[in-house]
Amino acid sequence: GAVVSQHPSWVICKSGTSVKIECRSLDFQATTMFWYRQFPKQSLMLMATSNEGSKATYEQGVEKDKFLINHASLTLSTLTVTSAHPEDSSFYICSARDSLAQETQYFGPGTRLLVL
Amino acid sequence: GESVGLHLPTLSVQEGDNSIINCAYSNSASDYFIWYKQESGKGPQFIIDIRSNMDKRQGQRVTVLLNKTVKHLSLQIAATQPGDSAVYFCAERGYSTLTFGKGTMLLVSP
Repeated sequence: GAVVSQHPSWVICKSGTSVKIECRSLDFQATTMFWYRQFPKQSLMLMATSNEGSKATYEQGVEKDKFLINHASLTLSTLTVTSAHPEDSSFYICSARDSLAQETQYFGPGTRLLVL
Repeated sequence: GESVGLHLPTLSVQEGDNSIINCAYSNSASDYFIWYKQESGKGPQFIIDIRSNMDKRQGQRVTVLLNKTVKHLSLQIAATQPGDSAVYFCAERGYSTLTFGKGTMLLVSP
């Protein structure tokens, strides 16, 4: 099946710094990618929809200036957590929708962020 | 942020039993439903899907049932194995995005 990768798989940073997470579709093109956040023992919450070549669409309550999304190519989307704080510590998961099979959405392995 | 004291519903079964995991969805306009399995520290893994014009779909050892009248979805796992232990999420597609349910933890004892 199709593979979505994320890098890094885990990151620890100091409060106030920025962290960039990459999401790549390895063997398919994805005009649309999605970013989710998951706190322990909770479900996945959609943060934003990333569209190649255009601005991301953010869900209600998600600060677009804090969570910067860039989808510069058909295989790469990045999420930058700016001025990270301990409450941003979470599991960030991306998914990518195959441009040729619009119903199919593949998930990455997730990135664990710990802000000290 | 994290809610203190929050816990996932848990289903504990013996190896070899059949498991049934239930999910209530919210949007009557949802046209596509998916079950995902998530192991600790990993991303969701696709198990099976079903469109709203169907009420049952079978895969290998898994069956999904859809009852649109009461907005209910279930996942049946036959002959449950220890490797099936994970958190299971249902997801519904309303307009163009997936909305995930709260999840159920399945614990399989050998």
